[in-house]
Amino acid sequence: GENVEQHPSTLSVQEGDSAVIKCTYSDSASNYFPWYKQELGKRPQLIIDIRSNVGEKKDQRIAVTLNKTAKHFSLHITETQPEDSAVYFCAARDQGAQKLVFGQGTRLTINP
Amino acid sequence: GAVVSQHPSWVICKSGTSVKIECRSLDFQATTMFWYRQFPKQSLMLMATSNEGSKATYEQGVEKDKFLINHASLTLSTLTVTSAHPEDSSFYICSAELQGGKGGGYTFGSGTRLTVV
Repeated sequence: GENVEQHPSTLSVQEGDSAVIKCTYSDSASNYFPWYKQELGKRPQLIIDIRSNVGEKKDQRIAVTLNKTAKHFSLHITETQPEDSAVYFCAARDQGAQKLVFGQGTRLTINP
Repeated sequence: GAVVSQHPSWVICKSGTSVKIECRSLDFQATTMFWYRQFPKQSLMLMATSNEGSKATYEQGVEKDKFLINHASLTLSTLTVTSAHPEDSSFYICSAELQGGKGGGYTFGSGTRLTVV
């Protein structure tokens, strides 16, 4: 089955700087890679996703890159703001079981 | 957009009792529902996949007799935590894949905070 590793577990950046979170996956058949932001006690909120037929996707300050050969994908947040502080999870869709497997999470703190 | 309604949002129960959590797909049919458990400061760990009209598929290490899953209709899946113990206290959340896996992504319930005392 799919296994997703996420790094770093915590990340602290100055407001206005960029933040990068990286994930690797094990199953080359996985075809969908979403990123979620989760506030304490709330459901995960999709912030961006990418499919295996695309190498990069951008939505304003947020971008995701996918390297299928290396089986890793990354979240890039530019011009960070205090409201970006949260826990972020990457995930990969196990194509066989159709389930979403999550990374361990990254607690991002934006320092004013 | 597609919504999964999850109830209750929080519940406190006594040790040894059972608790039922419901997830309803409001404007779409969910033949498959995924149940996750999230302990504080940890990730979402898949417990089981519920399939409408058939038995659920449990992840390794999850006790199927303790976490009963029923998916009797295309819009309702339930998770019952039987003989709950304090170590079962956690955040439980359901999820459904949209468009039958054809590119719709996933939608999540709002989660249930279970506290066993």
